[in-house]
Amino acid sequence: QSVLTQPPSASGTPGQRVTIYCSGSSSNIGSNSVNWYQQLPGRAPTLLIYINNERPSGVPDRFSASKSGTSASLAISGLQSDDEADYYCAAWDDSLSGPVFGGGTKLTVL
Amino acid sequence: EVQLVESGGDLVQPGGSLRLSCAASGFPFSSYEMTWVRQAPGKGLEWVSYIDSGGTSIYYADSVKGRFTISRDNAKNSLSLQMNSLRAEDTAVYYCARVGHGDSEFDYWGQGTLVTVAS
Repeated sequence: QSVLTQPPSASGTPGQRVTIYCSGSSSNIGSNSVNWYQQLPGRAPTLLIYINNERPSGVPDRFSASKSGTSASLAISGLQSDDEADYYCAAWDDSLSGPVFGGGTKLTVL
Repeated sequence: EVQLVESGGDLVQPGGSLRLSCAASGFPFSSYEMTWVRQAPGKGLEWVSYIDSGGTSIYYADSVKGRFTISRDNAKNSLSLQMNSLRAEDTAVYYCARVGHGDSEFDYWGQGTLVTVAS
């Protein structure tokens, strides 16, 4: 059981916009920044979004994120087949004194 | 180019020990905090341990506390994870990662090394 809650799956068609949600609590998302990771099949995770809504260099602006209260969301617009991956949210948890991850959302491009 | 290369993964019996290493290059290793994250087969990501740039501030997940020890050698640009009293539930791919701006921001990851705990 993950500390951060994500839907196990999401899907969309090419060109569509998809949003993945991440729910936490006051000890993690409510008081710390959220980061998002993309894990392509068979690959190591990569940083997709940091400090709630910042994109590392090389990440297309089709990827955006936001945070409100104890929840966060990742939006992918102009969906492409290459976006098929697992997406994880993460945040530091003050109660656990460590970072916590969501359970991951498997995105399927139909 | 930032590179993190893990090694040391293997098949080990329950109760056994294993030492993982992570060789870092392409950045000033001694200036960065580092972390280990693991992923059980078919499962999500689980944070394991964290060490600050000087090796003085260390944190562990409750699931490994007392059994795993993280360390670093800044002279050799190397990060290690000593794993003792291994259990079946420790079976996972172990990734080392560099900590970026924030405590849960891991901006570069290695390719991972597989640890299998089974008899």
